[in-house]
Amino acid sequence: DAMVIQNPRYQVTQFGKPVTLSCSQTLNHNVMYWYQQKSSQAPKLLFHYYDKDFNNEADTPDNFQSRRPNTSFCFLDIRSPGLGDAAMYLCATSREGSGGYEQYFGPGTRLTVT
Amino acid sequence: KQEVTQIPAALSVPEGENLVLNCSFTDSAIYNLQWFRQDPGKGLTSLLLIQSSQREQTSGRLNASLDKSSGRSTLYIAASQPGDSATYLCAVPLGGGANSKLTFGKGITLSVRP
Repeated sequence: DAMVIQNPRYQVTQFGKPVTLSCSQTLNHNVMYWYQQKSSQAPKLLFHYYDKDFNNEADTPDNFQSRRPNTSFCFLDIRSPGLGDAAMYLCATSREGSGGYEQYFGPGTRLTVT
Repeated sequence: KQEVTQIPAALSVPEGENLVLNCSFTDSAIYNLQWFRQDPGKGLTSLLLIQSSQREQTSGRLNASLDKSSGRSTLYIAASQPGDSATYLCAVPLGGGANSKLTFGKGITLSVRP
């Protein structure tokens, strides 16, 4: 089945130690998104790619970076994780359908910072 | 600025009940509205996408309605089952293009008691 895959599902990192989260998709969608979701809160968009064009949200901290080497893969790099960065990180893709751009989400990576 | 509200934050019902989950948004100029399901510690599963030109969309026991003029959507779940227990989020995009950023509600956590 075509899908959005995130690895790892659970990641533990130390305060200040760089970490990379991975997302891949078999849907061949040209748009990919990274969201951060903290406990009991709504997902918050960090940035997205439209093809190779990178779009950063104004309030996304500089500590967060992203790479998209090809259509299928997208990475989220956190350069110096702080305790406040502990959250679920969700990757999503989209394509234009009859109802506009419907987003499809992966299972998420839960990040713990110790 | 678009704001999406889901009230109540939590709901507990006995198995078999028909129930309605509410979603309201402040800016009625939406392109579509998407309902998601999120199981604890998991990613988001898209349930229904309803276009701005539609009033209803159905999938199995789920029916979503949209009233743009009043800024409301409802998700109707027929004959609820314990397996329906999850958090249900609604989201609307800012604009209709690929750069559309989804604004989410905080979700309604549903518990269906056997």
